[in-house]
Amino acid sequence: KQEVTQIPAALSVPEGENLVLNCSFTDSAIYNLQWFRQDPGKGLTSLLLIQSSQREQTSGRLNASLDKSSGRSTLYIAASQPGDSATYLCAVRGDMRFGAGTRLTVKP
Amino acid sequence: DVKVTQSSRYLVKRTGEKVFLECVQDMDHENMFWYRQDPGLGLRLIYFSYDVKMKEKGDIPEGYSVSREKKERFSLILESASTNQTSMYLCASSFQGVSQPQHFGDGTRLSIL
Repeated sequence: KQEVTQIPAALSVPEGENLVLNCSFTDSAIYNLQWFRQDPGKGLTSLLLIQSSQREQTSGRLNASLDKSSGRSTLYIAASQPGDSATYLCAVRGDMRFGAGTRLTVKP
Repeated sequence: DVKVTQSSRYLVKRTGEKVFLECVQDMDHENMFWYRQDPGLGLRLIYFSYDVKMKEKGDIPEGYSVSREKKERFSLILESASTNQTSMYLCASSFQGVSQPQHFGDGTRLSIL
């Protein structure tokens, strides 16, 4: 059964820092990996989707990479802002499996 | 933009009640999903549907049923609500095919007293 892990569970950084969030999965037979953002008490907002044949996807200040063979994905956030504060979740598609998320706080 | 609408943001019900959670999407998506989200357990799939009147069990279907009479609407039913079903419920939809992204609603926070 696919297991998805996100480390760290929480991260606090000063505004302006570049940061990396990590996602690892145990079964490399995935169709794609999706990164989401969740604000407190809200649903999930899709940020980036990487297909299994791709290595990375970029959207604005966000860059997500995928290394299927090692079972890892990273979400890079450049020049972080207080508005980036949220919980970030990754999900892998074979069966849809979610990590528990990383709670990011960006301090002004 | 895709719009997935869940009928209630907050809901309080009593033990033993029959509870209906409604989800509507406006993008003609074939697939619809119901998840619950609990602290420390993350999101878990309850049921999904890939077509009208079709349904498949997810990881935790016990105590729940679903209904999909129209393509745009997917209902989650708690047959006899129990306190351990207090949770955040999230609906999602997508086009057919595993390469398609899922789009989520804002969630329903359900409390069973």
